[in-house]
Amino acid sequence: GAVVSQHPSWVICKSGTSVKIECRSLDFQATTMFWYRQFPKQSLMLMATSNEGSKATYEQGVEKDKFLINHASLTLSTLTVTSAHPEDSSFYICSASGRDSARAFFGQGTRLTVV
Amino acid sequence: AQKVTQAQTEISVVEKEDVTLDCVYETRDTTYYLFWYKQPPSGELVFLIRRNSFDEQNEISGRYSWNFQKSTSSFNFTITASQVVDSAVYFCALTSAGFQKLVFGTGTRLLVSP
Repeated sequence: GAVVSQHPSWVICKSGTSVKIECRSLDFQATTMFWYRQFPKQSLMLMATSNEGSKATYEQGVEKDKFLINHASLTLSTLTVTSAHPEDSSFYICSASGRDSARAFFGQGTRLTVV
Repeated sequence: AQKVTQAQTEISVVEKEDVTLDCVYETRDTTYYLFWYKQPPSGELVFLIRRNSFDEQNEISGRYSWNFQKSTSSFNFTITASQVVDSAVYFCALTSAGFQKLVFGTGTRLLVSP
């Protein structure tokens, strides 16, 4: 299957700072990328969908000013958690699909801890 | 709206036992895809299977098998002769044709003890 690389795999930051997470498709052009969040022992919830060159579409209840998503190229999407707070601590995972993809491919995930 | 229900929160078995993980879904779409993923403690999602709504044939892959029944909107997953390495959280997920965003169930934590 196609390879999606997510970086960093884990990050600890201080409350009030911003954190950027990168999601890269290594061997295909990702026309669409998805960002999910998973709290401990819970399911994965879609946060937003981004198409290359377009503004992201956020799911209901997700603050777009807090979770900035950029999908500027066909191989890279970034999620920036702005002014992070302890309640933002979670596992964030991206997935990417291309025009001919039968399915989306997941990155390894990023475990964010805000202290 | 789409919904996936995994009623089993946690299952504990002893190695070599067979175990079935249940998945029931809801959708108004006539074309859709169902998935199973495995999430080990590392967190990474491991793709196991994708099945489209027009293909109701059961599938077997090694110790894994899947039973898709549209009549009951179920897509159950069976592990035969379970092993300790099967311990993980298993998610069932659903997407409509043309979209790749997934609706996940709440997951079933499988614990296989030696």
